[in-house]
Amino acid sequence: GAVVSQHPSRVICKSGTSVKIECRSLDFQATTMFWYRQFPKKSLMLMATSNEGSKATYEQGVEKDKFLINHASLTLSTLTVTSAHPEDSSFYICSARLGGARETQYFGPGTRLLVL
Amino acid sequence: GQQLNQSPQSMFIQEGEDVSMNCTSSSIFNTWLWYKQEPGEGPVLLIALYKAGELTSNGRLTAQFGITRKDSFLNISASIPSDVGIYFCAGQLGGSEKLVFGKGMKLTVNP
Repeated sequence: GAVVSQHPSRVICKSGTSVKIECRSLDFQATTMFWYRQFPKKSLMLMATSNEGSKATYEQGVEKDKFLINHASLTLSTLTVTSAHPEDSSFYICSARLGGARETQYFGPGTRLLVL
Repeated sequence: GQQLNQSPQSMFIQEGEDVSMNCTSSSIFNTWLWYKQEPGEGPVLLIALYKAGELTSNGRLTAQFGITRKDSFLNISASIPSDVGIYFCAGQLGGSEKLVFGKGMKLTVNP
């Protein structure tokens, strides 16, 4: 159990276009999902916290108009990179929070974005 | 922001050897989690710890939640080539949903 999927696994796009990444919790409901960005050989950097039915909370330095997050259901959160630029190229990973007494975060497999 | 000190940063070991890694913090955490990440993949949860002093095993992996709640360690016994990857510790502060991550420990196992 506790499987999280991401789609697409990799995407190449032209500069100026927008890219949407989906994160789904397949076998549990997640009121909270998180979006991370990871640079090569670095740890995970939290971008934003996505709450079902409400606006996402962005970390300091993350542009909310650049990285649009929508958490429309208890099993789906989307991250849209708007007007992508080459510097947005990165590995984006989502996680879903499994709440309760033994709270845990389960991660998706990640999405590799390359902006040309 | 919050940081966890994870050490060592990398290890090169022979197949069959044991390996230990730990994370420390100046803050008290309510939860400690250990993840493994392979190239091009997302982190996979290995062990979750929720109580000070808790010792939990998952196959050849054993992790402990430090009694001071400011540290945790992970042991891998009898390493095999597929143990190769980057191991991250993550802690959760009380009252927060967010995880604070260590910088990772890259493990190389020579067959």
